[in-house]
Amino acid sequence: NAGVTQTPKFRILKIGQSMTLQCTQDMNHNYMYWYRQDPGMGLKLIYYSVGAGITDKGEVPNGYNVSRSTTEDFPLRLELAAPSQTSVYFCASNPTGGKRDTEAFFGQGTRLTVV
Amino acid sequence: AQTVTQSQPEMSVQEAETVTLSCTYDTSESNYYLFWYKQPPSRQMILVIRQEAYKQQNATENRFSVNFQKAAKSFSLKISDSQLGDTAMYFCALSQGAQKLVFGQGTRLTINP
Repeated sequence: NAGVTQTPKFRILKIGQSMTLQCTQDMNHNYMYWYRQDPGMGLKLIYYSVGAGITDKGEVPNGYNVSRSTTEDFPLRLELAAPSQTSVYFCASNPTGGKRDTEAFFGQGTRLTVV
Repeated sequence: AQTVTQSQPEMSVQEAETVTLSCTYDTSESNYYLFWYKQPPSRQMILVIRQEAYKQQNATENRFSVNFQKAAKSFSLKISDSQLGDTAMYFCALSQGAQKLVFGQGTRLTINP
């Protein structure tokens, strides 16, 4: 299994540009998440989804949008990129909604720089 | 709001020594889960150990163990017989509804030869 796959791995954007970070998982997990990690900091939740067609905001949703049309895919859209969105973005998935101790599976991250 | 605090930005020890990383948290929930994640330079997030709050017994995984003090809301990670491959950022995390994770700021651990 490939697990959680993110593309691209690196990207440089100019201020005001838009882009979509792709995330796909092949484990049939219901729960998916987008986190961002600023330099020297822990991860913060941007958006999450508990299943296809259902999404909700996390701690830092401003400037981002998500959609979940299939179980496998959970893209993150950046509109009008700003320097404050320079960060490493992680997509993650979790197999069930019942047990909280289940391990989250993380993608390898996307390093985004906005200049 | 749930919070996780790691008060040690950096730590450094010699190979084979034992090191303890600190973590405190705050939550209003009675049942929750705590995790330690390792992030090596490759950026990959790797689960080290997990603890269920209603279990009094401290979790252990080989050289890794935790000291879970529920009343004090403390969750420290002990690494015994440290190895060069343990060099990484370590994050303490608290699981809330929908298994959303709240992370601490991280501790950069360096194991010196």
